[in-house]
Amino acid sequence: QVQLQESGPGLVKPSETLSLTCAVSGYSISSGYYWGWIRQPPGKGLEWIGSIYHSGSTYYNPSLKSRVTISVDTSKNQFSLKLSSVTAADTAVYYCARQGAEWEPHDYWGQGTLVTVSS
Amino acid sequence: QSVLTQPPSASGTPGQRVTISCSGSSSNIGSNTVNWYQQLPGTAPKLLIYSNNQRPSGVPDRFSGSKSGTSASLAISGLQSEDEADYYCAAWDDSLLAVFGGGTKLTVL
Repeated sequence: QVQLQESGPGLVKPSETLSLTCAVSGYSISSGYYWGWIRQPPGKGLEWIGSIYHSGSTYYNPSLKSRVTISVDTSKNQFSLKLSSVTAADTAVYYCARQGAEWEPHDYWGQGTLVTVSS
Repeated sequence: QSVLTQPPSASGTPGQRVTISCSGSSSNIGSNTVNWYQQLPGTAPKLLIYSNNQRPSGVPDRFSGSKSGTSASLAISGLQSEDEADYYCAAWDDSLLAVFGGGTKLTVL
C-alpha cells in the first residue's frame, strides 16, 4: 500500500522560506508516476501547487510559480517543496500526493501538515 | 475564487439521492475529464470518482459521476450518515494546471 507522510516546520516567519518533505513508502518513486503538492487554507478549498516527475521535470501553478521549487530525491524515496517569501496568506494544511500521470488525478494523499506563517 | 463552481452546501435525509453540480469552462471540464474527492472532517481528501464516472476500488457504487459539456455532477444514492463530508470537483486545465471547485459541504439530516 502506497503511503505518503509530510514533515517540516509547523511555524514559519513572514518573508522566510517554507520547506516540506514528503516521504513515500510502499512504492519506489524512481519507478514512475508524478508527485505533487496541494494546499488548503483553514476553512477553505484546495489549491494545487505543482507536480514533479521522477525524472525531475516539474510544472507549477502559475500563481505560485515565481516562489515555488519542487524537487525529488530518489535515493531517499522522497520529494520536497520550497515556497519562498511567505506571508500569512500561505498559512494552510499542505498535502503531498501521488498523481498517476500528467493529466491524471491524485490517487494517494498524505495526511497533511499545518504550516502557520506568523512572526 | 475557485476556477470550478460548486454550490457551497447540499443536504439530504438517509436513503435519499442527492446531486452536487460542478461548472467549469471549455479549457478545463469542456476538454478534460473530471475527478471528485471526498474529504471527511479532519482528514485528507480521498479520490472518489475519476475520469468523469469511474470509481476507484473500494468506493461503493452508491457514488456516481457524470459530465456534459462544461459541467459535471456527482450523485450519491442511498444517502448514509457517513457520507457527511466536503466534496470537491477537480479537472486539469489545458495549460496543465490542476483546478478545483470551492467544495460542497454535504449534511445528512
